[in-house]
This record gives sequence, structure tokens and C-alpha cells, in this order.
Amino acid sequence: GDSVTQMEGPVTLSEEAFLTINCTYTATGYPSLFWYVQYPGEGLQLLLKATKADDKGSNKGFEATYRKETTSFHLEKGSVQVSDSAVYFCALSDIPVGSGAGSYQLTFGKGTKLSVIP
Amino acid sequence: DAMVIQNPRYQVTQFGKPVTLSCSQTLNHNVMYWYQQKSSQAPKLLFHYYDKDFNNEADTPDNFQSRRPNTSFCFLDIRSPGLGDAAMYLCATSGRMARSYNEQFFGPGTRLTVL
Repeated sequence: GDSVTQMEGPVTLSEEAFLTINCTYTATGYPSLFWYVQYPGEGLQLLLKATKADDKGSNKGFEATYRKETTSFHLEKGSVQVSDSAVYFCALSDIPVGSGAGSYQLTFGKGTKLSVIP
Repeated sequence: DAMVIQNPRYQVTQFGKPVTLSCSQTLNHNVMYWYQQKSSQAPKLLFHYYDKDFNNEADTPDNFQSRRPNTSFCFLDIRSPGLGDAAMYLCATSGRMARSYNEQFFGPGTRLTVL
């Protein structure tokens, strides 16, 4: 079945440091890939996504490139801020589930907690 | 702004006392999902509705049920909450639009405490 593996946390960085959070996946089809961010006490927010190989998703200074040859979707940011402190989830959406062709299950990684210190 | 709304944000209930969590959406999405997220874990899908069709995950306990009276609203009922049901409950939606057909939009969550 589908699976997502992302680097173990927690990750602690100083402000303005470079961030990489590794994510690799296993999927039977041609998945779409996502990064979600969860701030303390909040729900998940979509950070960025990519729907096909070599697509680059970007938002708020974060980037990730869909690499089919290495089955990876690593999250990067050139200069992190204290406000980036959160839990980051890598996820894929592949096989339709249930009775509807339009309902797709998200498979999540375990999450990586990022703490940025001033 | 179009959004997913969950009420209440924090819910406290007693062991064994039924509780209902609600979710509403203004996105006009046809699919609605309920997830359970325990501390420091990834969200776990409980069930989802595709229009009015209910789809239960195989390992979702019978203690959890859901209702969707119309497109905009979906409810999560926990018939007899146990201490192990304390968690964050997340509602999400997705729609038929080509650009976002497999993208899920999440609400802020309801934090459930069981005493």
C-alpha cells in the first residue's frame, strides 16, 4: 500500500537558518504530493502541493519538488523565522476510496516538529 | 472567505456521556472527512461522506458515528466516550473541481477532553 516516510523530529534551528525536511513515498499509481503545516492547537493548513513529476510547489518561501526518480518531495526554506515553528506533514493522495470516484484518501507521514529560536 | 468551520473548538465530556461535534463548510464541496489526531501523531481517517454516501474505515470503532443532513453540515457522534477517545478531531472537505479534486481543506479542529 501507499506510505510516506519523513524525517524524525524534532528539528531545532536558529532564525535565518536553512531548512530541509526529507520526505519519501511509496505509491502504486501517480500520486499528488502535499505538505501540510499545523500550528500549535490548530488544524492542518495546506502549505504547498505538486501533482506530477518535476512540478515544484512553493508558498511563503517554502519549496518542494516532485522527484519521481527518487520518490521524494523534500521541503526546503532558505531562511526560517520564529513564526515557522510548527509541525509539518508530508502527504500523498493516490487511490480513490469509498463509493465515489472523487474521494481520495490522504496518506500522511508521521510529522516533523520544527522549532525556530531567535 | 470560503472555509471549513468546526464547533466547538474545545469540548469537555464525561466518561460514557454522548457527545456530538459539528462541522460546516461554505466551499460547496461534495466530500467531507472526519479525522482523529492524537498527540504527536498524524491524523487518522475515521470515515468520509461522498455526497450522501457514507464510507467507514475498517478499523473505526462502532462507538463513532456520523451524520450528514445536507451538503454543508456533517456531525461526529461519539456514543460512549472513553479516556482513549480524547484527541483532536479534524473535519476536512474536498470537491469535484479539477484543480483541487484530491486536495483536502481542513477546519481548525475540536479538542475533546474526556474526564
